[in-house]
Amino acid sequence: SQQGEEDPQALSIQEGENATMNCSYKTSINNLQWYRQNSGRGLVHLILIRSNEREKHSGRLRVTLDTSKKSSSLLITASRAADTASYFCATDRTGANNLFFGTGTRLTVIP
Amino acid sequence: EAGVAQSPRYKIIEKRQSVAFWCNPISGHATLYWYQQILGQGPKLLIQFQNNGVVDDSQLPKDRFSAERLKGVDSTLKIQPAKLEDSAVYLCASSLPLDPQETQYFGPGTRLLVL
Repeated sequence: SQQGEEDPQALSIQEGENATMNCSYKTSINNLQWYRQNSGRGLVHLILIRSNEREKHSGRLRVTLDTSKKSSSLLITASRAADTASYFCATDRTGANNLFFGTGTRLTVIP
Repeated sequence: EAGVAQSPRYKIIEKRQSVAFWCNPISGHATLYWYQQILGQGPKLLIQFQNNGVVDDSQLPKDRFSAERLKGVDSTLKIQPAKLEDSAVYLCASSLPLDPQETQYFGPGTRLLVL
């Protein structure tokens, strides 16, 4: 079974708005990563947050991690039409970069 | 730098036939992964190689799936015989050892349809 579950499954916003996606997982982790997948393409790594970190920023991305609640969130600020994609969280439980992916959030940014 | 290459991009076969997918990782990436992504789901790891050795194949259905990476570079994933539920995108990814961001670089995938 999948390690993580994203919420919501689908999100539609206007360009310029912020988008927030959540990820919950079940077991202890070493780190959590977020990936983006454009339709018909492979996945692209966005950001990694380690289990001892609480927040991380990269450009318009902000990731938080709450290990007590086993949850993470990805915030995309000032969204653009090009941000339209599916977003997946992935957890590494073993430290061997063996990732377990969630079910994904499909984000649509309307121009 | 060139990305992860996969071929073919699309494949349509009938159930009980066999099929093979090929992956060429980014040069210098010792770790190679094969994932299965069923429509509407996230990728599921099938097998992980470190050079030409298997690190994890616990989720590989070994009665019908096999994979090899003989020279520690290219890899092939085979399904024999295929079932309808094998219809999915098969993604190959590679990574550098000791990458602090532990990034996996994905290929475009092979979309398999089993009829």
